Amino acid sequence: GENVEQHPSTLSVQEGDSAVIKCTYSDSASNYFPWYKQELGKRPQLIIDIRSNVGEKKDQRIAVTLNKTAKHFSLHITETQPEDSAVYFCAAYASGGSYIPTFGRGTSLIVHP
Amino acid sequence: KAGVTQTPRYLIKTRGQQVTLSCSPISGHRSVSWYQQTPGQGLQFLFEYFSETQRNKGNFPGRFSGRQFSNSRSEMNVSTLELGDSALYLCASSGTQNTGELFFGEGSRLTVL
Repeated sequence: GENVEQHPSTLSVQEGDSAVIKCTYSDSASNYFPWYKQELGKRPQLIIDIRSNVGEKKDQRIAVTLNKTAKHFSLHITETQPEDSAVYFCAAYASGGSYIPTFGRGTSLIVHP
Repeated sequence: KAGVTQTPRYLIKTRGQQVTLSCSPISGHRSVSWYQQTPGQGLQFLFEYFSETQRNKGNFPGRFSGRQFSNSRSEMNVSTLELGDSALYLCASSGTQNTGELFFGEGSRLTVL
């Protein structure tokens, strides 16, 4: 089955810095890669996603890049703000009719004012 | 539009008991999936239902079961509870059968004593 590794598990940055979270996946058939943000005590919410036919996607301060050859995808947050502090989860979906998401273990991002 | 609603939000059980959790998806969403969230393990997929049929199942023992009703509401049941079943159980609904944004509920936090 699919295996998703997410690094780092904890990331501490100063406000205004950039943050990068990386995920690697094992199943080359995976074709959909969402990122979810979970604030403390809240539900996870989708912040950005990318499909395998695209190499990069941006939404304001957030971007995701995908390298299918290396089987990794990354979340980039620029100009971090304290409200970006949360746990971020990546996920990979395999194709072929099995719509089972495999999530990474999460990255706790702490943005210091 | 009302979000995904899960009940109960908190519950405490003892080993050997069973528990039933309920999830009401966003109106019009036919896919409901369930996840177990524990510290350090991230989100682990339990199962997914679409139009009252279990489409996918994760790697959990048979003590974990679920069902979906004709109005798309879903329940999951855990029998013969073990201490290790203590977790936050999240359900999510999706508007499409294929990969797409998951809308999570706030979760049911189960503590097994």
